[in-house]
Amino acid sequence: AQKITQTQPGMFVQEKEAVTLDCTYDTSDQSYGLFWYKQPSSGEMIFLIYQGSYDEQNATEGRYSLNFQKARKSANLVISASQLGDSAMYFCAMRTNNNDMRFGAGTRLTVKP
Amino acid sequence: NAGVTQTPKFRVLKTGQSMTLLCAQDMNHEYMYWYRQDPGMGLRLIHYSVGEGTTAKGEVPDGYNVSRLKKQNFLLGLESAAPSQTSVYFCASSRDSLNQPQHFGDGTRLSIL
Repeated sequence: AQKITQTQPGMFVQEKEAVTLDCTYDTSDQSYGLFWYKQPSSGEMIFLIYQGSYDEQNATEGRYSLNFQKARKSANLVISASQLGDSAMYFCAMRTNNNDMRFGAGTRLTVKP
Repeated sequence: NAGVTQTPKFRVLKTGQSMTLLCAQDMNHEYMYWYRQDPGMGLRLIHYSVGEGTTAKGEVPDGYNVSRLKKQNFLLGLESAAPSQTSVYFCASSRDSLNQPQHFGDGTRLSIL
């Protein structure tokens, strides 16, 4: 069965510092996609970044990068130069070939001024 | 630029009542999904559809039914609401490819008394 694990219920980071949010996954599929979403206190889900299982390079999108370690089945999100607006819940998710989607429990990030 | 629209935004039901949540997307996406979000548990997939006239069970399908009679609409039904179905429900849609992110609606907050 597919499973996503986020072991950090809450994280704090100083403004302008970098932070890493952990995500590990479990699947027997060879082809899958990994996603990170942000959910601010207003409740909407915002797509941040994607990594495919066959992608050899780590994905980057502006201040977001994904540290993909396939052998360890981890897909950690790195946010550089944190801003106050980055305070939110962050969810890691995985889609497999049968289109099943699984989300982790999330990490609440708080950026301190 | 409506994207994904969920109706209603809020609803309070009594145990045993029935209701239908409507999701509409205007992006011509093939795939549509229904999730529930409970505190501390992230999003859990209820049902999904990979095209008009198709539906499939997700992680937590019991107590719910869905229909996709038109490509742009995905309906989620509760035949006999139970307090355990109190949750925030999110609809999402995406293109038909593993690497395509999901676009989410703003959610429906449902309370069952």
